[in-house]
Order: sequence, then structure tokens, then C-alpha cells
Amino acid sequence: AQTVTQSQPEMSVQEAETVTLSCTYDTSESNYYLFWYKQPPSRQMILVIRQEAYKQQNATENRFSVNFQKAAKSFSLKISDSQLGDTAMYFCAFGNTNAGKSTFGDGTTLTVKP
Amino acid sequence: KAGVTQTPRYLIKTRGQQVTLSCSPISGHRSVSWYQQTPGQGLQFLFEYFSETQRNKGNFPGRFSGRQFSNSRSEMNVSTLELGDSALYLCASSMTGGMNTEAFFGQGTRLTVV
Repeated sequence: AQTVTQSQPEMSVQEAETVTLSCTYDTSESNYYLFWYKQPPSRQMILVIRQEAYKQQNATENRFSVNFQKAAKSFSLKISDSQLGDTAMYFCAFGNTNAGKSTFGDGTTLTVKP
Repeated sequence: KAGVTQTPRYLIKTRGQQVTLSCSPISGHRSVSWYQQTPGQGLQFLFEYFSETQRNKGNFPGRFSGRQFSNSRSEMNVSTLELGDSALYLCASSMTGGMNTEAFFGQGTRLTVV
């Protein structure tokens, strides 16, 4: 079974600064996907970024980028130029290639301060 | 394009009752997954349906069941409610359920069991 660990329950950052959220996972599979989801206070979960395990290049989406270390089973999220709207709970998740299920970490609550 | 719609948004039930929650996926999406979100357990996978068939199942008791209709709408049912079933129930839809397709979440149904 896969496990996903987010060791930082809460974090805060000043507006316009950079913050990194940590995530480690454990799996015996070689082909899988990793995700970061954002859940704002309004509750709707949205996908922030996705990484395919067989791709060595780190995924980026505008201000969001990941540092994927496959051997270390680490998948951190970097948010650059933090904005107030980035305040949310962030979940790291692991997905099997063909299964419609994901294993989620416990989440990190990020607060962006003005 | 309409998003994933979950109804009702809020529900209060008494211990021992049963409840049915509904999820209407994005048009064209054939996979619907259900998750239970609680402060203590985080996000836990319940089950996934694809083309009216349950394709994956999490580690929940038989009191939790679901189904999917020919129009891909899905329902989940919880019988003999317990206080511990109080949670936010999220559904996510995707084209195929594979991890190479993006999953979109609904806003959830907040179930309170008293």
C-alpha cells in the first residue's frame, strides 16, 4: 500500500515571498503520478500541479513548481511570489497509473500574510 | 462547462438512519470517485465507479455503498449511520479515471450525524 506524508501541518509566508511545502511518499511501484491539490476555505479541491514518475523534468505551472526526487521519494511544492489567494490547505497525493483512486497526505495549511 | 455538482451541500442525520448523497460529474466524464474527509483521518478513498461498475474500493465497512447510473451520475449510501461518519464527502470525476487525466472535485457534502 502507498503512503503519503506531509510533515508540516501549518505554514505561513509573507506575500510575495517563496515557500516550499514538503511531501514524501512510499511505494513499490515504478510508474505512478504525484499531485498537489489546493483546497481553499470554500472547500472545492483543485489540481495545482501533476508529475509523472517516469518524467525526470520537474513540472511547473506558472508560480508553482515541484522538486521531484524519485530515489528519495520526495515531492515538494514551491510557490513563488506568494499571493493572498494562495491561502489554503495543500494536499500531496499519489495515484496509480490506471486506478481511479489517489492516496492523500494529511495536508498542510498555508497562510499567506499581507 | 458545468463543474462537478454534489447535493445536498449540508445534511444532518440521526445515528442509525441512512443517507444518500449525489454526485453529477462533468459532462463526458465516466469515472466518479468518492472520498471521505475528516480532520483526524484526512482524505480517505471510498470507491470509484466507471461505466456503472465499481472498479476500485477502499477500506470502508459494507455500510458504505455506491452506484453509478448510465448518465454517469453517482450516488453513495451510508446505512446505520454512526457518529464517526460525520465528515465532508467529496466526489471527483474524470474522463477515464486514469491518472493521466485530470480529476475535478465537487464542493462536497457536509454530513453531520447527531
